[in-house]
Amino acid sequence: SQELEQSPQSLIVQEGKNLTINCTSSKTLYGLYWYKQKYGEGLIFLMMLQKGGEEKSHEKITAKLDEKKQQSSLHITASQPSHAGIYLCGADIRVVGDGNNRKLIWGLGTSLAVNP
Amino acid sequence: DAGVIQSPRHEVTEMGQEVTLRCKPISGHDYLFWYRQTMMRGLELLIYFNNNVPIDDSGMPEDRFSAKMPNASFSTLKIQPSEPRDSAVYFCASSLAITDTQYFGPGTRLTVL
Repeated sequence: SQELEQSPQSLIVQEGKNLTINCTSSKTLYGLYWYKQKYGEGLIFLMMLQKGGEEKSHEKITAKLDEKKQQSSLHITASQPSHAGIYLCGADIRVVGDGNNRKLIWGLGTSLAVNP
Repeated sequence: DAGVIQSPRHEVTEMGQEVTLRCKPISGHDYLFWYRQTMMRGLELLIYFNNNVPIDDSGMPEDRFSAKMPNASFSTLKIQPSEPRDSAVYFCASSLAITDTQYFGPGTRLTVL
């Protein structure tokens, strides 16, 4: 199973609707990153969260980190067609027993379509 | 800054051929990462470098894959010989520090026939 689970896998919403994407880790989080990807393009950095309870916003996108639950949510308010794409979360975790090396793991992504 | 630059953007080759992917990180970034993305497995870290030195190559699938970073502004990922299962999008990313934001290149879409 994936160390970093994203839900839902895909989402279709009507323009103007709100939506939430979740990212849950099976390991303790030391940092959580949200990226957006459009087909055929690279990943565009959205936000990074490092502290439990931290919340960041950029335009109509808000991300929160719930450290106790090892989970982060990405919320889009009043969605627009320009929000369509694949949203990926990446987690900075520590591998216990391996020299406490840091490791970055990724979810499989959530595909978002916004119908005008 | 131009961002992370990758070449080629698309590569179509036949099984058994050697493939070389290239990356130029953002100037001043000490870390460089190579990723592979497929529908089935998502984004996978293959290897990363710190100051041109490979730190963790545990994600490299097998000996057919090799990566080098001869200087701070250039890295290559080589597959020899290539196989159809290597078909994927390969991304290069760079960052200032290991825990810092990674900036991704546009990717190389590799198709092995």
